[in-house]
Amino acid sequence: QKEVEQDPGPLSVPEGAIVSLNCTYSNSAFQYFMWYRQYSRKGPELLMYTYSSGNKEDGRFTAQVDKSSKYISLFIRDSQPSDSATYLCATLIKAAGNKLTFGGGTRVLVKP
Amino acid sequence: NAGVTQTPKFRVLKTGQSMTLLCAQDMNHEYMYWYRQDPGMGLRLIHYSVGEGTTAKGEVPDGYNVSRLKKQNFLLGLESAAPSQTSVYFCASSGPNRGQDGYTFGSGTRLTVV
Repeated sequence: QKEVEQDPGPLSVPEGAIVSLNCTYSNSAFQYFMWYRQYSRKGPELLMYTYSSGNKEDGRFTAQVDKSSKYISLFIRDSQPSDSATYLCATLIKAAGNKLTFGGGTRVLVKP
Repeated sequence: NAGVTQTPKFRVLKTGQSMTLLCAQDMNHEYMYWYRQDPGMGLRLIHYSVGEGTTAKGEVPDGYNVSRLKKQNFLLGLESAAPSQTSVYFCASSGPNRGQDGYTFGSGTRLTVV
């Protein structure tokens, strides 16, 4: 079993809809939680970073962490065709060389 | 622009050949990483370095070697390429602020071993 699980999709939504993405993780030692966006044939780029349980908003993006359930989510409001990409969740343990453990990624398609 | 530069961008190797992938960063980051990305497997850590002259194994190190002779460079070597090493390889670097600053990734090297 992978330490971080993520539905591969694809997740197809109409423009303007809310995109909801989820990951589960198994290691309770994970302390930091991130979402990366990866466009086709590009490297991943950091979207959101959270440390504690709860919500964090940044523009149209909201990241949610529930440490008791080992569940992390990303919501994209008012989705745009430019949001079409693969979204990767990632977790990190503070004292482990900053090594990130990634989920497999969810491909999102926003149709105009 | 500041960032992580990977060379080459594409390469086709024959089984048994060797090659070195170069990663260079100009952000004075201490930590550097090599990942491979395969369909359905996500990003898996091959090797990483927490500073000049240091390296450590990640999740899938077999068949690869690395060196960090200079702080800004992290080299990934394949001594005897195998078809199972066909993948997209990403280098990344990070500063000291754990996840807060995130990793900065290169644009990847697409390697095919035939």
